[in-house]
Amino acid sequence: GENVEQHPSTLSVQEGDSAVIKCTYSDSASNYFPWYKQELGKRPQLIIDIRSNVGEKKDQRIAVTLNKTAKHFSLHITETQPEDSAVYFCAASILGGGADGLTFGKGTHLIIQP
Amino acid sequence: GAGVSQSPSNKVTEKGKDVELRCDPISGHTALYWYRQSLGQGLEFLIYFQGNSAPDKSGLPSDRFSAERTGGSVSTLTIQRTQQEDSAVYLCASSAQTQRLSDTQYFGPGTRLTVL
Repeated sequence: GENVEQHPSTLSVQEGDSAVIKCTYSDSASNYFPWYKQELGKRPQLIIDIRSNVGEKKDQRIAVTLNKTAKHFSLHITETQPEDSAVYFCAASILGGGADGLTFGKGTHLIIQP
Repeated sequence: GAGVSQSPSNKVTEKGKDVELRCDPISGHTALYWYRQSLGQGLEFLIYFQGNSAPDKSGLPSDRFSAERTGGSVSTLTIQRTQQEDSAVYLCASSAQTQRLSDTQYFGPGTRLTVL
């Protein structure tokens, strides 16, 4: 089955700086890669996703890049703000393969220092 | 519209008792997922329903775990003879899953299960 590795486990950046979180996956059949943000005690919420037919996707201060050959994808947050502090999870799955669910990384605790 | 809801929000039980967790997906969503999140860990996929059918139950941690979905809507996750290692937050998600495309999964608030 799919295995997703996520690094770092904790990331501390100064407010205004950029943050990068990296994930690798093992199953070359995976073609859907969402990122979820989870604030303390709350439900995971989708912030951005990418499908394997594109290499990069951007939404305001958030961008995701995908390298299918190397089987890794990354989340980039620019101009970080205090409200960006949360745990971020990457995930991978196969479109139309719902029975496999999403395979999640173990999460990155992002801390924005004022 | 209303999002995914789960009940109860918190459940404390004694070891050996059975518990039932409930998930109400977003109206019209045909796909429903159960995940488990242990303290400080990522989300572990348990089971998926397309309509009322669960094609693969191998993600359930043991035969003490079972799940069902009726009417293509509400789902229940039942844990029999609970053990302390079952303590976790159980999250439900649903998606529209139109045709062969897996749409965004929207998560419920979770049920925090504590087994004493």
